[in-house]
Amino acid sequence: EAQVTQNPRYLITVTGKKLTVTCSQNMNHEYMSWYRQDPGLGLRQIYYSMNVEVTDKGDVPEGYKVSRKEKRNFPLILESPSPNQTSLYFCASSSGQRGDEQFFGPGTRLTVL
Amino acid sequence: KNEVEQSPQNLTAQEGEFITINCSYSVGISALHWLQQHPGGGIVSLFMLSSGKKKHGRLIATINIQEKHSSLHITASHPRDSAVYICAVPIYNTDKLIFGTGTRLQVFP
Repeated sequence: EAQVTQNPRYLITVTGKKLTVTCSQNMNHEYMSWYRQDPGLGLRQIYYSMNVEVTDKGDVPEGYKVSRKEKRNFPLILESPSPNQTSLYFCASSSGQRGDEQFFGPGTRLTVL
Repeated sequence: KNEVEQSPQNLTAQEGEFITINCSYSVGISALHWLQQHPGGGIVSLFMLSSGKKKHGRLIATINIQEKHSSLHITASHPRDSAVYICAVPIYNTDKLIFGTGTRLQVFP
């Protein structure tokens, strides 16, 4: 089954404790992206990757890092989480053809205390 | 001014009613996406269209590129259609999506 998986689905952590949210897709997609969703603000792009070893900042990259060492994986790293990073996070992937459908992961609800 | 605007923000309907959700955008686009976010949070892609009209079951999406406007219609609405509907447009010639803030639809029996 074609899918995007994220782990963990739920996470409660404390300020400053480094964490990683994993994202994996099995569709051989070139394009992968991370979004955060906050009430009243909608989905905003954090980082994206056009292909292996190619990443770029989205609209709200501060406080986040990503890597793309393999085509299928695109982890999101919070080196020193802060309460303003409490949010719902989505990973998505697409073939990379302009305007192609994006497939979304199930979401990770993160709470930083 | 947001580059992608949706209306209405909230919508309630009785089962069986015809629903219309609107999306206007100000950027040049190659295609427009309609997404559905279920109450549990998951997001699924409903349509991607660059011209005309697409239909899938009770859902119909239309787009007018000249007027920079798209509509999502739901015929014979059902309580299981209750969700947030989001339109998104890619910046022209890129994969970067800009999202509307969504329309929350509740359909009552």
